[in-house]
Amino acid sequence: AQSVTQLDSHVSVSEGTPVLLRCNYSSSYSPSLFWYVQHPNKGLQLLLKYTSAATLVKGINGFEAEFKKSETSFHLTKPSAHMSDAAEYFCVVSAVGTNAGKSTFGDGTTLTVKP
Amino acid sequence: KAGVTQTPRYLIKTRGQQVTLSCSPISGHRSVSWYQQTPGQGLQFLFEYFSETQRNKGNFPGRFSGRQFSNSRSEMNVSTLELGDSALYLCASLNPELSTEAFFGQGTRLTVV
Repeated sequence: AQSVTQLDSHVSVSEGTPVLLRCNYSSSYSPSLFWYVQHPNKGLQLLLKYTSAATLVKGINGFEAEFKKSETSFHLTKPSAHMSDAAEYFCVVSAVGTNAGKSTFGDGTTLTVKP
Repeated sequence: KAGVTQTPRYLIKTRGQQVTLSCSPISGHRSVSWYQQTPGQGLQFLFEYFSETQRNKGNFPGRFSGRQFSNSRSEMNVSTLELGDSALYLCASLNPELSTEAFFGQGTRLTVV
């Protein structure tokens, strides 16, 4: 079984300040972890993924995340927020093998960026 | 290469009707998954098809069904539509032999009136 908890439903930051979106996961096996972003009326775009290689993962648009097994966390960060980062962010856990196609999504975090 | 294509993008249906949504995966991807996204329930897994067989299933009633063709294109059908079926339906494809990364389509926005 697997589950994901996004600890904040809404995060508001000022443009140019750091972003932190928190995610904890639970999995009975070694998981694959992802962060996706969804802009209004759009599909999901992959920001980054962890698949048991380096624990610090760099993604697109300056985002990165650190996999911490001891804390079962996969928090998303960005040093400096941009107005275009305003969107909804989803932390996702997937199994491997025959369950790879069944992803479990967190409830999402809405990021607001103030000018 | 072309991404995941979902058609139609928007649909309006009446309660009690049925609807079929289509998803064309990325070339070479044999796994297609379907998700329902609503404001109240978030993103929920419906089912996954791999090589024309349903491989995984979520907790949805039997009114939700799907199938996959030999070219990996998939269709999802919802019968006897209810108001609560109004949602964004997302399709994702992946090649599990290479990666667990799922590629998502733009979705089909279904409104039931």
